[in-house]
Order: sequence, then structure tokens, then C-alpha cells
Amino acid sequence: SQTIHQWPATLVQPVGSPLSLECTVEGTSNPNLYWYRQAAGRGLQLLFYSVGIGQISSEVPQNLSASRPQDRQFILSSKKLLLSDSGFYLCAWGAGGSNYGYTFGSGTRLTVV
Amino acid sequence: KNQVEQSPQSLIILEGKNCTLQCNYTVSPFSNLRWYKQDTGRGPVSLTIMTFSENTKSNGRYTATLDADTKQSSLHITASQLSDSASYICVVSRNTGGFKTIFGAGTRLFVKA
Repeated sequence: SQTIHQWPATLVQPVGSPLSLECTVEGTSNPNLYWYRQAAGRGLQLLFYSVGIGQISSEVPQNLSASRPQDRQFILSSKKLLLSDSGFYLCAWGAGGSNYGYTFGSGTRLTVV
Repeated sequence: KNQVEQSPQSLIILEGKNCTLQCNYTVSPFSNLRWYKQDTGRGPVSLTIMTFSENTKSNGRYTATLDADTKQSSLHITASQLSDSASYICVVSRNTGGFKTIFGAGTRLFVKA
């Protein structure tokens, strides 16, 4: 069966520090991978999605970047965190296309102080 | 503008009671609608997915309905349990040949003993 792993679960980082959140998927190949951010009381906002190794699409301009070095690995990064980067970050995978549901990771609570 | 609006924003019910959550959308062209359950601090978990031709789908005590003409969906929870306390998110995908998914802000449900 397919599983998705996301870590760390919580993270407190000072402003200006770098960020690296990792997400890996098991039990499937060539998944579509997504990074979402959820602000308190708000809906999920798509940050990046990837349909293959090295292919990254960004939905919104921001202080973050994403990379997909391996088929089942998706990394969210920042060189210098801002206070506004605080939030709940979710990685998700889907089998492809908008007609399939997503499976989400357990999320990372990032607090920038 | 493609939007998904959920109501109520929050809801408190007593254990054992039924409740109905609403989702109105203006997403076009419509592909599918999904309901997710998100426990606090966790990633969303899929409950149901409905395409244009489906007007009801059940998953245990959860029953989702879809009226594609009025662009409305509801999630009915029967005989609520304390473990139903969570956020319920309505997600609508567009059929654009690519992928485009719009998330509602969710309804926060509190089930009290």
C-alpha cells in the first residue's frame, strides 16, 4: 500500500534561517507531488506541484522553493525564512490528473520567531 | 472567479446527533468534488469523491450529496461520535486538461458528550 512520510512534525526557526522540509512516498512510482500551506482558519493553498523528477511548478510567488531530486522525494526549502512563512505545511501525492483524490502527509507546523 | 465556500464556519453538536455541512462552489468547468476530514494538527483524509454524474455517496456514517445544477454539496453525519470532532474540507477540481483544485476553508465541527 502507498504511504507518505513528512517530517519534521513541528519546527521553530528564527527569522532569516534556512528551511528544509522533506516528503517521501512509498508504494507507488511517478506520483504527482504537492506542497500546500494552511494558515490558521484558512483553506489550503497550493504552493508547488511536481509531475516528475526535476519538474516543479509554482502556484504563487513567494519566499519558498521546491525540488524533486528523486521520483518519490519532494523537498520544500527557503534560504531565509520570514515571519509570514509560519503555517502548517502539508505534502500530498496523487496518482495523476484532477480526477483522483490526494493522500496527505501528517503535516509540519512551522513557527518562525 | 473559482471559489468554494463552506458553511457554517463552526458547529457544536451533542454526541449522537446528526448534522449537515454545506459547500457551495462557483468552480467551472467542474470535474469532481471531494470531502476531507482533518483532525487538528494532522493532514486531511479523504471521505468521499463525486463526479458530475453522481449525486450521493456514502462512507459509513458520512453521506455526501451533490447538486451539479445549483453547484451545492452537503456532508451529512449520522449519529455523531466524539471522534467526529474535526475540520471538514470541501474540495472542488476543475476540468481544464491540467489540474486545478480549489479548497474550501472548512467547517470546524465540535462534538460534545
